[in-house]
Amino acid sequence: IQMTQSPSSLSASVGDRVTITCRASRAIRNDLGWFQQKPGEAPKLLIHGSFNLHTGVPSRFRGNGAGTDFTLTITSLQPEDSATYYCLQDYSYPRTFGQGTKVEVK
Amino acid sequence: QVQLQESGPGLVKPSQTLSLTCSVSGDSINSGGSYWTWVRQTPGQGLEWIGYIYDRGSTNYNPALKSRLTISADYSNNKFSLRLTSVTAADTGVYFCTRDPIDGGFSFDFWGRGIRVTVSS
Repeated sequence: IQMTQSPSSLSASVGDRVTITCRASRAIRNDLGWFQQKPGEAPKLLIHGSFNLHTGVPSRFRGNGAGTDFTLTITSLQPEDSATYYCLQDYSYPRTFGQGTKVEVK
Repeated sequence: QVQLQESGPGLVKPSQTLSLTCSVSGDSINSGGSYWTWVRQTPGQGLEWIGYIYDRGSTNYNPALKSRLTISADYSNNKFSLRLTSVTAADTGVYFCTRDPIDGGFSFDFWGRGIRVTVSS
């Protein structure tokens, strides 16, 4: 299953609402996770099952979608949200990730 | 708190074998509760799921790597390992070990910091 993210990068200001899209090449129910990765670090799980916030993740991160189309929204962008975000399908093997969306906070 | 740590050589020559080990603390790799997984990040493929080991030796590999790949476990020392043969420059990247819980509805909740591997003569 191919995962396609858009945009590949974006730049926004503190307080802005930001949305990243992930599309699966075929239906994956809601078996979709979102990860945040900062330079030199491992990816960090943000959201699983399309919309479930992982433990300790701020509520400004929101996931949505089912089937083939999914979104990650940061409702009020903060300086510490500067990172690359990846989607992951965990519907079938091999697991596959999107190519990433780099978010810059102005 | 579950912790994972990768170890191994940072430089491997082309056509040789890459061997990495992941040491796990805070969870038992033979508890049957998780798939113990390798993921890599390469310039060419981005984040790529490599494969896992589970339940006393059951494995599942990425078909793209299957012919060159072996994942094994040392249950007495709570470690699992990756062995990738016939490496090329395309195998250069950062290799992570991670935990994929079977129950809970999510994947990859704990990660190692990653180990950078360069394939070069």
